[in-house]
Amino acid sequence: AQKVTQAQTEISVVEKEDVTLDCVYETRDTTYYLFWYKQPPSGELVFLIRRNSFDEQNEISGRYSWNFQKSTSSFNFTITASQVVDSAVYFCALSRRAAGNKLTFGGGTRVLVKP
Amino acid sequence: SAVISQKPSRDICQRGTSLTIQCQVDSQVTMMFWYRQQPGQSLTLIATANQGSEATYESGFVIDKFPISRPNLTFSTLTVSNMSPEDSSIYLCSVDGLAGDRDEQFFGPGTRLTVL
Repeated sequence: AQKVTQAQTEISVVEKEDVTLDCVYETRDTTYYLFWYKQPPSGELVFLIRRNSFDEQNEISGRYSWNFQKSTSSFNFTITASQVVDSAVYFCALSRRAAGNKLTFGGGTRVLVKP
Repeated sequence: SAVISQKPSRDICQRGTSLTIQCQVDSQVTMMFWYRQQPGQSLTLIATANQGSEATYESGFVIDKFPISRPNLTFSTLTVSNMSPEDSSIYLCSVDGLAGDRDEQFFGPGTRLTVL
């Protein structure tokens, strides 16, 4: 069975601070995919990144960066110099292959960025 | 990227009634998924909608309560039957990556359902 754990339920920061969201996963598969989604107050799910299990390179996209460590089964997400618009719930998810298969979601982390 | 629309965007329903939610994609996709997000909770997969065959339901979800149709490769419906207040949730459809754009798992905008 697959499982995703986001231990932080809520994080509050002041604008321009960095914030790191933790994600730990469990799977017996050797090939799997990890995702991060953002859900702003409006409710839609915004795709942020997909990473496959064979690619442990860290990735940076603007103010966002991801740290994938297979040895610790973690896929952490950092927002650098946070902004008020980053306030949202962030979900980490796991699937057996990149597309065409069901996602197992973590419980989500609510990020509140105060001005 | 795929464009996914859902109807209705929101609804308020009475206990005991049923609501059918539609999901339309602008391209043909092999698999479509229906998720439920209860208030303040994460997303849980209800079922996988397969074209030409019955939907595959996850543990805890049954066809009588959540019948699904998938008449073609661009459309699916989810019905929430005999509703109770516990069914108040956001229901989201999702599709697998499209040819040439397989890095993403797309989600519709969601249907926000309130049952009184």
